[in-house]
Amino acid sequence: DQQVKQNSPSLSVQEGRISILNCDYTNSMFDYFLWYKKYPAEGPTFLISISSIKDKNEDGRFTVFLNKSAKHLSLHIVPSQPGDSAVYFCAASTGGYGQNFVFGPGTRLSVLP
Amino acid sequence: GAGVSQSPSNKVTEKGKDVELRCDPISGHTALYWYRQSLGQGLEFLIYFQGNSAPDKSGLPSDRFSAERTGGSVSTLTIQRTQQEDSAVYLCASSSRTGGGYEQYFGPGTRLTVT
Repeated sequence: DQQVKQNSPSLSVQEGRISILNCDYTNSMFDYFLWYKKYPAEGPTFLISISSIKDKNEDGRFTVFLNKSAKHLSLHIVPSQPGDSAVYFCAASTGGYGQNFVFGPGTRLSVLP
Repeated sequence: GAGVSQSPSNKVTEKGKDVELRCDPISGHTALYWYRQSLGQGLEFLIYFQGNSAPDKSGLPSDRFSAERTGGSVSTLTIQRTQQEDSAVYLCASSSRTGGGYEQYFGPGTRLTVT
């Protein structure tokens, strides 16, 4: 049973528009959430995180929204750029620093010029 | 500074042989993780080391898999009697605390192919 789900395996967006990547989780004990980006033949790189005490965290073009009651989070990229084309993984953790992270299956984003 | 490094980058082995995969974490990172990503799948947790504590081995798929971390730094993941279903990209990550949060830094992975 997947604890972290990314139901869209792929997403295509026009350059300059907003990309919205969604993630749902089932474990109410998760209290820390992260988004990673992965290019082919490279390891994932950290993008942005959010603690369960917040409902929004923003870093430049990237904003993560957390809806705890719905057990849902989303990553917004505005404006989308061709270099954003990658696989995006949502990850969740319980219990603070150093705990195991549970990853979703990823969403492949293609930003079309 | 140097990131997480892994070696080899690619490994092709015959079914039944043993393989060792190496991870050099970022200096000073106390937490080290191993994951694997099979074709078309997400990241599957394997094992986690935190300082001198006993490792969390809950993700290891069978007793053919083992890992050690020497001196709190370099880690080796060993797969004995490899099977074709072990073919995957094996990713290592190390972790640090940053401000109020923490994040993982991943290596480039080792692509293992079992023929």
